[in-house]
Amino acid sequence: DGGITQSPKYLFRKEGQNVTLSCEQNLNHDAMYWYRQDPGQGLRLIYYSQIVNDFQKGDIAEGYSVSREKKESFPLTVTSAQKNPTAFYLCASIGTSGSMDEQFFGPGTRLTVL
Amino acid sequence: SQQGEEDPQALSIQEGENATMNCSYKTSINNLQWYRQNSGRGLVHLILIRSNEREKHSGRLRVTLDTSKKSSSLLITASRAADTASYFCATVESGYSTLTFGKGTMLLVSP
Repeated sequence: DGGITQSPKYLFRKEGQNVTLSCEQNLNHDAMYWYRQDPGQGLRLIYYSQIVNDFQKGDIAEGYSVSREKKESFPLTVTSAQKNPTAFYLCASIGTSGSMDEQFFGPGTRLTVL
Repeated sequence: SQQGEEDPQALSIQEGENATMNCSYKTSINNLQWYRQNSGRGLVHLILIRSNEREKHSGRLRVTLDTSKKSSSLLITASRAADTASYFCATVESGYSTLTFGKGTMLLVSP
């Protein structure tokens, strides 16, 4: 089955710790995106990458970091500098960079900071 | 960055009724997309309408786009309990390569 996987589904972290969320796709898609969703809110863009070894900041990049060493993988690190990290994190991909057609989403990771 | 705004925020209807959700946006767009999200899940793409299109159909879904009013509507006909979900519009601003999402409409369809 082709698709996007995110792991883990639920993640708990103590304040002051960094944590990395995984996003893998086997769709051979060029571009990948990370969004944050807070209760009752829409999605806000954190980072995106249109090609391997390149990525751009989205609207709310502060306190987050990413890497894109492989086409299939786009991990997101939530650092201790992120003041309010508890949220639902969604990863997405799109077939061709710049086409901006349908985005495919993973199932999400719910992060809770204790 | 611009953001689509959905209206209403929440909608409650009976099975068999039609559901209409509206989306307004602020600047020139390349296309507008509608997504569905079941509680605690990822988003699923429903339909895309380009800036030079006025209406599009997909099964029980009908989307309209009025670029002069910077608005779109999503109509779900003959709704079912399984249509219960949140619905989001997302816009691709001209010249940009990212989607901007609205806050969504929560639809509840009662049997």
